[in-house]
Amino acid sequence: QKEVEQNSGPLSVPEGAIASLNCTYSDRGSQSFFWYRQYSGKSPELIMSIYSNGDKEDGRFTAQLNKASQYVSLLIRDSQPSDSATYLCAVIEGGGGNKLTFGTGTQLKVEL
Amino acid sequence: DGGITQSPKYLFRKEGQNVTLSCEQNLNHDAMYWYRQDPGQGLRLIYYSQIVNDFQKGDIAEGYSVSREKKESFPLTVTSAQKNPTAFYLCASSRGGVVEQPQHFGDGTRLSIL
Repeated sequence: QKEVEQNSGPLSVPEGAIASLNCTYSDRGSQSFFWYRQYSGKSPELIMSIYSNGDKEDGRFTAQLNKASQYVSLLIRDSQPSDSATYLCAVIEGGGGNKLTFGTGTQLKVEL
Repeated sequence: DGGITQSPKYLFRKEGQNVTLSCEQNLNHDAMYWYRQDPGQGLRLIYYSQIVNDFQKGDIAEGYSVSREKKESFPLTVTSAQKNPTAFYLCASSRGGVVEQPQHFGDGTRLSIL
């Protein structure tokens, strides 16, 4: 069974701080990695995709990928209360088919 | 506006009843997916379709059925064989192609048992 693991949290950070969210995956053949944000009662919203080792920045968000260690992380700089949500890590299984495997998500709380 | 439309937003099922959840997309995406989300859990794949008239079972297909007669539409039927159907159902779509594309989600349907 291919797995994607995340700490469920809650992760609490003060407003303005950097939030660091981590994810590990079991399928060494995976090539595509995504972070989704899900507000309570709503559907997931794609915020970052990453395909190569290293860092990818988009505004206040930075995704980091290390395929050798099989982990992917998301950094949120200058955290805002509106960032409070559950963040889902998703990995496309190797071998094609575009099948996503989701982690159970990390709940982030940004406190005033 | 391009997007994925799921309907209804809320649905109630009686014992022994089949219900169908609608998913329509106007993004010209080739692939469509159905997921189920239970409270405090991640998304689990029910069925997916990469092209019209073809679909595959996901990890939890028992008690569900789908069809893909049109590129834009991928309805999900929750049959009476699904004994624990209460959940948040999410439809997603993605472009085809060599590079794996991210999936985008509709707003979801909440199904409950009466």
